[in-house]
Amino acid sequence: QSALTQPPSASGSPGQSVTISCTGTSSDVGGYVYVSWYQQYPGKAPKLMIYEVTKRPSGVPDRFSGSKSGNTASLTVSGLQAEDEANYYCTSYAAGNNWVFGGGTKLTVL
Amino acid sequence: QVQLVQSGAEVKKPGASVKVSCKASGYTFTGYYIHWVRQAPGQGLEWMGRINPNSSGSSCAQKFQGRVTMTRDTSTSTAYMELSSLRSDDTAVYYCARHINYSFDYWGQGTLVTVSS
Repeated sequence: QSALTQPPSASGSPGQSVTISCTGTSSDVGGYVYVSWYQQYPGKAPKLMIYEVTKRPSGVPDRFSGSKSGNTASLTVSGLQAEDEANYYCTSYAAGNNWVFGGGTKLTVL
Repeated sequence: QVQLVQSGAEVKKPGASVKVSCKASGYTFTGYYIHWVRQAPGQGLEWMGRINPNSSGSSCAQKFQGRVTMTRDTSTSTAYMELSSLRSDDTAVYYCARHINYSFDYWGQGTLVTVSS
């Protein structure tokens, strides 16, 4: 199972919006509504931000939103804040009871 | 509150095995799968496998088949992941995570495993 493809980096100024993509195949992202996104600060465990493509766990700001089109899922962060600077990972359920992660995107708030 | 507390850092020699524990609290241990995810230094996350604490059934990524064993002890609400035939590229932080809705909502703090001669 190959890793999902994410851009290595993304950036935006405070208040702006930024979108991070996550591209897979019809055997993972495109085949299921089971894409989730995680925020990770250096040296810390990941935190769930989005699950089932578009749903936000309790406590996650509504500035974070998810979507999917075909084999590509996206995470959008609106109204960027300094605290959003972190690494973001997507993951998808894949055929055969597997899960696959993206390579991660470092989000920089300029 | 839900907590997953992992065992401490380990240093192992190539060829050895390591067993990492993940003690759950704050919820019904047998009600949720536990997954294992690792992260090599400076690298991304990699899914390793999962265990059903209720049935003890497990599955893992093809890459780890034959080298990883996942077990659980329901009396102590603890999940275990044992990785054998360690190589230098197994040096990583190993996380356990609780599965819900095909995602991972609670994570352990991570266990650093260093493989070095």
